[in-house]
Amino acid sequence: DIQMTQSPSSLSASVGDRVTITCRASQSISSYLNWYQQKPGKAPKLLIYATSNLQSGVPSRFSGGGSGTDFTLTISSLQPEDFATYYCQQIYNTLSWTFGQGTKVEIK
Amino acid sequence: QVQLVESGGGLVKPGGSLRLSCTASGFTFSDYFMNWVRQAPGKGLEWVSYISRSGNTIYYADSVKGRFTISRDNAKNSLYLQLNSLRVEDTAVYYCARAFPKGGYDYGFDYWGQGTLVTVSS
Repeated sequence: DIQMTQSPSSLSASVGDRVTITCRASQSISSYLNWYQQKPGKAPKLLIYATSNLQSGVPSRFSGGGSGTDFTLTISSLQPEDFATYYCQQIYNTLSWTFGQGTKVEIK
Repeated sequence: QVQLVESGGGLVKPGGSLRLSCTASGFTFSDYFMNWVRQAPGKGLEWVSYISRSGNTIYYADSVKGRFTISRDNAKNSLYLQLNSLRVEDTAVYYCARAFPKGGYDYGFDYWGQGTLVTVSS
């Protein structure tokens, strides 16, 4: 199985901060990397697909990048509604689509 | 609008069984691959199973292979997950999720249900 490792596991930031979350795959996954946002008690929401494509309706302050094994999710200016847990997911291995362990973004 | 509504969760003893359902509306169900994803209390997301549009191709996570069975009924716009030989570690919220894009799955899961809680405990 392909392992996905996110860093950091949690972070504290202030409104207006630039925030970057990293996701590393245990082997190359090309650009088959997606990002989700999950708020407490809610289902996950697709933010970015295929590394850098913004899902419809997602604010442009979210962006994604990377390729191969190293990927990033960046929030250019953190807003109050962005405090949540973020997960990366690889869709490269069709027999097992693994998620990262999550990164919790908290208010400083 | 696209809606996915899960049902069938509950409390079951170890070794027991449950059948989860997911009813879809607002889109042509037969055009999309579908998935089940679970989340143990306070933990991260774990992909569980995938089924193709016709039901001919099915995948399972190793953790549930041989115990869980995914199926679908396109005439009823419904997705199912039969859970057998349940273990304490299967306790989780189970979500159904639509694969994206239409007719594929490369772009992840674009719509999710609200989830149904399965608790395995004696």
